[in-house]
Amino acid sequence: SQELEQSPQSLIVQEGKNLTINCTSSKTLYGLYWYKQKYGEGLIFLMMLQKGGEEKSHEKITAKLDEKKQQSSLHITASQPSHAGIYLCGADNTGNQFYFGTGTSLTVIP
Amino acid sequence: DGGITQSPKYLFRKEGQNVTLSCEQNLNHDAMYWYRQDPGQGLRLIYYSQIVNDFQKGDIAEGYSVSREKKESFPLTVTSAQKNPTAFYLCASSIGTGRHYEQYFGPGTRLTVT
Repeated sequence: SQELEQSPQSLIVQEGKNLTINCTSSKTLYGLYWYKQKYGEGLIFLMMLQKGGEEKSHEKITAKLDEKKQQSSLHITASQPSHAGIYLCGADNTGNQFYFGTGTSLTVIP
Repeated sequence: DGGITQSPKYLFRKEGQNVTLSCEQNLNHDAMYWYRQDPGQGLRLIYYSQIVNDFQKGDIAEGYSVSREKKESFPLTVTSAQKNPTAFYLCASSIGTGRHYEQYFGPGTRLTVT
């Protein structure tokens, strides 16, 4: 099975600061998804990266996929309290089963 | 509005009782999934279904059962055989299975068994 390790496990930043969350796979990454979760709620789809070197942005969130390193990074610029939550990466290299990382908990202090 | 609904939001049961969690989607998606989320462990796949009347076990299927009699519905039964049933349960759906299809999630059901 695929394992996705996220770092850091938790992050506390001051509002306005930039931050990066990493997701490293134990197997070759052919595609990767990023989701956000508010505590006790469902996951919200953020972005999907399918090609090595691909980079996508949505508002102040940018995600990149480095297939050679089997890694993806999620970067938030000028963080806001609305960015707080749990960020999870997910990947499916089997064609049927989806695997998720353990998540990164982000707290943004106003 | 299209989406996935899970009910109820909170569920309490006595140990030894079976309990069924509801999941309904009106997105016309073929594939549906059930995940369990525990603190510090991320999401783990319980069961998934690629099409009506078909489903497959995920990594932690023991103590759970599902059915897929209708395209829009994928109920999960937590049986008394599940040793640690207290958890947050998430249902998801996608157009198809595989890496090209993002999954859409419901709001989750928090099950507490005492």
